[in-house]
Amino acid sequence: KQEVTQIPAALSVPEGENLVLNCSFTDSAIYNLQWFRQDPGKGLTSLLLIQSSQREQTSGRLNASLDKSSGRSTLYIAASQPGDSATYLCAVKSDSGGSNYKLTFGKGTLLTVNP
Amino acid sequence: EAQVTQNPRYLITVTGKKLTVTCSQNMNHEYMSWYRQDPGLGLRQIYYSMNVEVTDKGDVPEGYKVSRKEKRNFPLILESPSPNQTSLYFCASSSLTPNTGELFFGEGSRLTVL
Repeated sequence: KQEVTQIPAALSVPEGENLVLNCSFTDSAIYNLQWFRQDPGKGLTSLLLIQSSQREQTSGRLNASLDKSSGRSTLYIAASQPGDSATYLCAVKSDSGGSNYKLTFGKGTLLTVNP
Repeated sequence: EAQVTQNPRYLITVTGKKLTVTCSQNMNHEYMSWYRQDPGLGLRQIYYSMNVEVTDKGDVPEGYKVSRKEKRNFPLILESPSPNQTSLYFCASSSLTPNTGELFFGEGSRLTVL
């Protein structure tokens, strides 16, 4: 059974810092990994999607890496801003048997960027 | 604009009064899914559907029903709501291609059962 862990559960940093959020998963046979952002009481917004064959994806100040063999992904945020404050979740898509697949979510990292 | 639309966004109801939360997507996605999100428990999958007339249980299906009569719609039905179903519910969709299907979420429906 796939399990996804995100460390730390919460992180508080001053504005301008570069920071790394971590996501680890137990079963390395994955299709892809997706990072989301969630603002309080809101839906999830997709940030980056990394296919199993890829090592990293970049979008603006965000860079996500994937190391399937070690079961790890990191989300790097450069020059953090107060508007980056949100909960960040990772989700792993893996095989659940037959032609089905399953998405397993981590519990998220609550990021606070202080002005 | 590509989107997943849920209704209602907010609902307060009483124990035992049947309700339906609708979900519609305009991206011609085969895969649709319902999740509930609770503090400390994260996102948990309720039901999912791989295509029209194909549905399956997720991790927490008890007390819920779904149907997939059309590709774009995937309603969540609570036949007899109970207070432990008070939660934030999300509908999501993606294409079926395992290697490329990005998951898109609706804005969420906050349900309170008294």
